[in-house]
Amino acid sequence: DIQMTQSPSSLSASVGDRVTITCRASQGISTHLAWFQQKPGKAPKSLIYDATNLQTGVPSNFSGSGSGTDFSLTISSLQPGDFATYYCQQYNNYPLTFGGGTKVEIK
Amino acid sequence: EVQLLESGGGSVQPGGSLRLSCAASGFTFGNHAMSWVRQAPGKGLEWVSSINYNAGSRNYADSVKGRFTISRDNSKNTLFLQMNSLRVEDTAVYYCAKFESSGYYSKFDYWGQGALVSVSS
Repeated sequence: DIQMTQSPSSLSASVGDRVTITCRASQGISTHLAWFQQKPGKAPKSLIYDATNLQTGVPSNFSGSGSGTDFSLTISSLQPGDFATYYCQQYNNYPLTFGGGTKVEIK
Repeated sequence: EVQLLESGGGSVQPGGSLRLSCAASGFTFGNHAMSWVRQAPGKGLEWVSSINYNAGSRNYADSVKGRFTISRDNSKNTLFLQMNSLRVEDTAVYYCAKFESSGYYSKFDYWGQGALVSVSS
């Protein structure tokens, strides 16, 4: 199974801050990586697919980068609605696997 | 607008069974692979099972293999998850998720709101 390791597991930031979350795969997954946002009590929302492509309707302050084993999600200017938990997920191999999540909290 | 609406969750004793349904609308259901993903209370996301567009291929997590069965009825735009021999550790919110393509080696683009399954004695 491919292990997905996210860091940090949590962070505190202020509105307007630039935030970067990293995700490392235990083996190469090309660009078969997605990022999801989840707010408390809500379903995950798809943000980014194929490592760098924004889903329709996702604000442009979100961006993704990486390939192979190392990936990142960047929020260029944190907005009030961005405080949530973020997960990466690989779809290169089965079983599909998710990172452990990064909780972005208000400082 | 794509909508995925899960139902069938509830409380059951260990060893019991439940059948989850996911009613889909807003897209051509029969053209897309589908999946179930679960989230135990306070924990992260765990993939459970996937099925391709015509039910010709299915895949299961080791933790549920032999106990859970994924199926679909394309005439009724509905995805199912039959869960037998339930264990305490199966307690979770179960989400249905839509793949972007007909095969399940693909990315999720939409998720349902989830159905809570609670297994306890």
